[in-house]
Order: sequence, then structure tokens, then C-alpha cells
Amino acid sequence: TQLLEQSPQFLSIQEGENLTVYCNSSSVFSSLQWYRQEPGEGPVLLVTVVTGGEVKKLKRLTFQFGDARKDSSLHITAAQPGDTGLYLCAGDPTGNQFYFGTGTSLTVIP
Amino acid sequence: DSGVTQTPKHLITATGQRVTLRCSPRSGDLSVYWYQQSLDQGLQFLIQYYNGEERAKGNILERFSAQQFPDLHSELNLSSLELGDSALYFCASSFGVGSGNTIYFGEGSWLTVV
Repeated sequence: TQLLEQSPQFLSIQEGENLTVYCNSSSVFSSLQWYRQEPGEGPVLLVTVVTGGEVKKLKRLTFQFGDARKDSSLHITAAQPGDTGLYLCAGDPTGNQFYFGTGTSLTVIP
Repeated sequence: DSGVTQTPKHLITATGQRVTLRCSPRSGDLSVYWYQQSLDQGLQFLIQYYNGEERAKGNILERFSAQQFPDLHSELNLSSLELGDSALYFCASSFGVGSGNTIYFGEGSWLTVV
């Protein structure tokens, strides 16, 4: 059983479409982070959300932290081929171990 | 460039052998993490060191061991290798520990066991 479950696992969309990726847990996190990983590279941090209900925007990406701090979502507006990659949420609920979600593999077709 | 350096980038070895993966953290970072990434298991936490001391242990097999040296670089030793150990092994580093820290990843070491 994974601590952080992401959905969908795979997503293939046309350029210009919108999409939302979800990250869910039964545990409470003091913060959650979102990473993007491109093939052959390590994950790169996109954003950290800290406050329940917080919304952060990074250009066409909107990140939201659930009110109960157990879930988070990533919304991409007008997806572009450059958004293609593996999106991972991550957090440390105990202060002892940093967990990564199951991942969402996004492909944006030109 | 994250500032985390891993060597080797690619490694092919036979079953039963032993390999060592090396990691240099970002300058100033005290904490080093090792992760294993495979297609069926996703990104799995193996072990974390902070300033030379083991801080947290995840799904690390007994055949695997790691250490962090006084200069803060770290090594992951994988022994009695099996086909299923083939994966991408990431090292990551952060300044401190806990949920408030940003973790920076290296580019990974591809291990293929044949």
C-alpha cells in the first residue's frame, strides 16, 4: 500500500487541453511537494504547498493543497508538449521519511 | 543542474556481483537520500543519512548498505545482485531534514543486472 496515491496513472492528451492530476493520502502532511521528472533525469521540484486550502500558481500550473492537508491537486491549463513527463507528489508525514506518490505519466501530443 | 553528482551514470554487471554507487551532495547540504526507481515499483525510498549518521531507513534490502563519509559524500553498496535489482538509483540531498526541506536529485545511476 502506497502512502500517496496518484491518479490517473497515465494520461495522454492533445496540446491545448486542460488536465488535473490528483494526489491522495489517509495521512496528514505538514506540506506536500510536486515534482516533474523527465526521461533519464531526476525529479525536479515544482512547488511546495504548506497551508491547508492553499493555492499556488506557476504559469499554467495550479497547485492546491486540501483543507485537511491529506490531498493535493495539480491542474495544467492549455497543456504543451513540453509539459510531458512524470509528475510526482511527495511529502514527509512523520518527519522521518520522505515519501513519493505513485506518479502520473503525462504525454501531451502536438 | 541540481548540484548533486552521481557516478557511474550507467553500469552493467552480472548476477551475484557487487557494485558501489557514489554520490556527492550539493554544496552545503548535510542530508543524503537514496532512492530506487523501477517501472513496477515507482520511486522507493531506501535510506537517508544526515551529517554522517543514518537517520531513516526505508525499503532497503539486507544485501544493500550505504554510508555517508565525513566529507558528506555517500556510497550505496549493492551485493549479491539479482536481476530484479536492475533499476535507476537516485541520490538526493537537502540542507536539513523534515518536511520543510527541498530535496534535490541527481541524474541517477542506471544499473542493469544480466
